[in-house]
Amino acid sequence: SQTIHQWPATLVQPVGSPLSLECTVEGTSNPNLYWYRQAAGRGLQLLFYSVGIGQISSEVPQNLSASRPQDRQFILSSKKLLLSDSGFYLCAWSGLAEQYFGPGTRLTVT
Amino acid sequence: GQQLNQSPQSMFIQEGEDVSMNCTSSSIFNTWLWYKQDPGEGPVLLIALYKAGELTSNGRLTAQFGITRKDSFLNISASIPSDVGIYFCAGQGNTGTASKLTFGTGTRLQVTL
Repeated sequence: SQTIHQWPATLVQPVGSPLSLECTVEGTSNPNLYWYRQAAGRGLQLLFYSVGIGQISSEVPQNLSASRPQDRQFILSSKKLLLSDSGFYLCAWSGLAEQYFGPGTRLTVT
Repeated sequence: GQQLNQSPQSMFIQEGEDVSMNCTSSSIFNTWLWYKQDPGEGPVLLIALYKAGELTSNGRLTAQFGITRKDSFLNISASIPSDVGIYFCAGQGNTGTASKLTFGTGTRLQVTL
């Protein structure tokens, strides 16, 4: 069966520091991968998606970037964090229509 | 980005009661999905709907794909305390390779004993 992992689970970072969040998927090949951000009590905002290695599409202009160095690895990065980058970051994978989410990373920028 | 209109935004119900929530869109969707999110966790897929008019059940949960393809409904029968959480609908508008979803704003469900 397929599983999706995210780490770290929680992160507290100062403004201006770099960021790297990692997502890996097991049990499937060539999945579509997604990064979402969820503000407290709000819905999910799609940040990036990828249909293959090295293929990244950005949904909203922002301070973040994404990379897919391997088929089942998706990384979310920033060179300099802003206060507004705080939130709950979710990675997801899909085969066809359904998307399956990871456990999420809670990021607090101080 | 675009979001679906989901209602109600929140609801308090007593254990044992039935719950109904719905999602509407100005656009047609080919797939409707319903997710539940517990605090501090990722959303979990509950039900997937693929055809207009389709009615699908998963235990005490029943969801329907609206005949106009612009809405969907989720019903929970005989609610229990573990039903507490946020329920999201999501729609997929095309069968492109990215399988991108549009999410609803969420319905927060609280169950009292």
